[in-house]
Amino acid sequence: GAVVSQHPSWVICKSGTSVKIECRSLDFQATTMFWYRQFPKQSLMLMATSNEGSKATYEQGVEKDKFLINHASLTLSTLTVTSAHPEDSSFYICSARPLGMDTEAFFGQGTRLTVV
Amino acid sequence: KQEVTQIPAALSVPEGENLVLNCSFTDSAIYNLQWFRQDPGKGLTSLLLIQSSQREQTSGRLNASLDKSSGRSTLYIAASQPGDSATYLCAVYSGANSKLTFGKGITLSVRP
Repeated sequence: GAVVSQHPSWVICKSGTSVKIECRSLDFQATTMFWYRQFPKQSLMLMATSNEGSKATYEQGVEKDKFLINHASLTLSTLTVTSAHPEDSSFYICSARPLGMDTEAFFGQGTRLTVV
Repeated sequence: KQEVTQIPAALSVPEGENLVLNCSFTDSAIYNLQWFRQDPGKGLTSLLLIQSSQREQTSGRLNASLDKSSGRSTLYIAASQPGDSATYLCAVYSGANSKLTFGKGITLSVRP
């Protein structure tokens, strides 16, 4: 149980285009989902917290107009990187917290984004 | 602001050795602490979750301890194997929204 599916696992896009990454909780409902970014040999940095049906809360320094987050249902959150640039190339990982569980989250397998 | 530290950044040991990975955190008001494994280019695999009221958790050759008052946790790996080679991340749940804060990880290499 508690499986989080993230797609795509990797994507290459041209500079200036937008890319959408999906995060799905397959066997549970998640009121809260989190999006992280990881640069090579660095730890995961929280980008934003999304709650179903409301606006995402972004961490300091994260541009909300560039990283659009939508959490339209209890099983799906999406992250759209708009007008991507090479410096946006990174590993993006989502996690989802089951309903009623305040203190454990489950992680997707990550998306490697390369902007050329 | 919660900060999680893992030292050293890298560790190389011969196969069969028992080893301890350390993690420290600055704010002891945590809900849970969790250890993860990450293979190169991959996502996270949860190893052990310790609730704030617990002192330790065990799974197979892994044992994680938590001393909340001193802000420390250790992950003990018994009889290490080459397949244990990976990066081990420590993370704590604290603050509003039970936010998860990660350490930078310890990259472990187990030599055959």
